Amino acid sequence: RKEVEQDPGPFNVPEGATVAFNCTYSNSASQSFFWYRQDCRKEPKLLMSVYSSGNEDGRFTAQLNRASQYISLLIRDSKLSDSATYLCVVYPNDYKLSFGAGTTVTVRA
Amino acid sequence: DAGVTQSPTHLIKTRGQQVTLRCSPISGHKSVSWYQQVLGQGPQFIFQYYEKEERGRGNFPDRFSARQFPNYSSELNVNALLLGDSALYLCASSLVLGNNGANVLTFGAGSRLTVL
Repeated sequence: RKEVEQDPGPFNVPEGATVAFNCTYSNSASQSFFWYRQDCRKEPKLLMSVYSSGNEDGRFTAQLNRASQYISLLIRDSKLSDSATYLCVVYPNDYKLSFGAGTTVTVRA
Repeated sequence: DAGVTQSPTHLIKTRGQQVTLRCSPISGHKSVSWYQQVLGQGPQFIFQYYEKEERGRGNFPDRFSARQFPNYSSELNVNALLLGDSALYLCASSLVLGNNGANVLTFGAGSRLTVL
């Protein structure tokens, strides 16, 4: 089983729509979780950290469910500029980040 | 302030050759890590260095090696290149080492290696 698994998508949504997707992780001892955004052929950039109580950053909401070992990302009022691949990132230990393969989101006009 | 810088940005090698990739972290960052990203996949962890010592290694063969210098810059070396080594190699830096939600990584733009 992979350490981090994501639905690859693609999620094709119209502008203004809400889109949500999950990421599951296998190591129950994982402590830190992040969502990174990666544009085509560019480097990953931090979108937001995911806290136990859930957190929001503008139109983006992240949730953590430790019992079921998944994190989620919800994007409200989608913009064309939200089109990207969203990478789920988990710290299973102190020295190594584990990345999911990414979920592709395409927002159409 | 300069971000994480990597060189070269693109390079083409042939099978069996050796390659050295370079990374300069953000000023003040003491931890550098390396990742390999094959097209269509997420980055895979290769190495992490902190204060010039290797602190973690991923599931990569011994053909892959790295080091960190006193100024915290780093090099990744790959020997005996295979076609499957073609990928985007990403370097990331962080202030310290640790499993801490505040200790986020900043990535460089990567070195795109093509092996023919």
